[in-house]
Amino acid sequence: AQSVTQLGSHVSVSEGALVLLRCNYSSSVPPYLFWYVQYPNQGLQLLLKYTSAATLVKGINGFEAEFKKSETSFHLTKPSAHMSDAAEYFCAVSGVPSFQKLVFGTGTRLLVSP
Amino acid sequence: KAGVTQTPRYLIKTRGQQVTLSCSPISGHRSVSWYQQTPGQGLQFLFEYFSETQRNKGNFPGRFSGRQFSNSRSEMNVSTLELGDSALYLCASSLRGEGGEQFFGPGTRLTVL
Repeated sequence: AQSVTQLGSHVSVSEGALVLLRCNYSSSVPPYLFWYVQYPNQGLQLLLKYTSAATLVKGINGFEAEFKKSETSFHLTKPSAHMSDAAEYFCAVSGVPSFQKLVFGTGTRLLVSP
Repeated sequence: KAGVTQTPRYLIKTRGQQVTLSCSPISGHRSVSWYQQTPGQGLQFLFEYFSETQRNKGNFPGRFSGRQFSNSRSEMNVSTLELGDSALYLCASSLRGEGGEQFFGPGTRLTVL
């Protein structure tokens, strides 16, 4: 079965600092990987996705993620945090048994201080 | 293009009642998936509908059911509500297919008293 592990339920950074949110996956087949962001009282918004075209994926709002098969990781980064980045971030995997079934990690809440 | 819409946004019910939630997908999207989000269990897949047929199902009891109409709109129903059914229910639509992203609605917040 596919699974996703997000290390750190909370991550705190200062405005302007590097953001690094960790995600490791488990999959018996090449996975499709996604990062979603959720703001309070809202649904999920797709930040970026990995579908094997390129290992370094660029997304919206300056975020990017690198797929590392040897480490089974798909960490999310942003060079400089902004106050508006404060939200909850979810890593997700799909592929087995269905591309339509997303399996989510437990989420990481990003706190940004001025 | 309009996004995924869900109605109602908030709902309060009592134990034993049943509830129906509605989801309208993005125009042209024929796949609709439902997820339950709770603080304890996180985001869990309920089921997916495509062309009016349930294609995938998560690990939820039979009290949770759904359907899809010919215009791709979907409803999910929860019967005999329990306190543990209190959650944010998210609907997502997609074009379906390998690697396709799912677009989420704002969710319906269900509170069971």
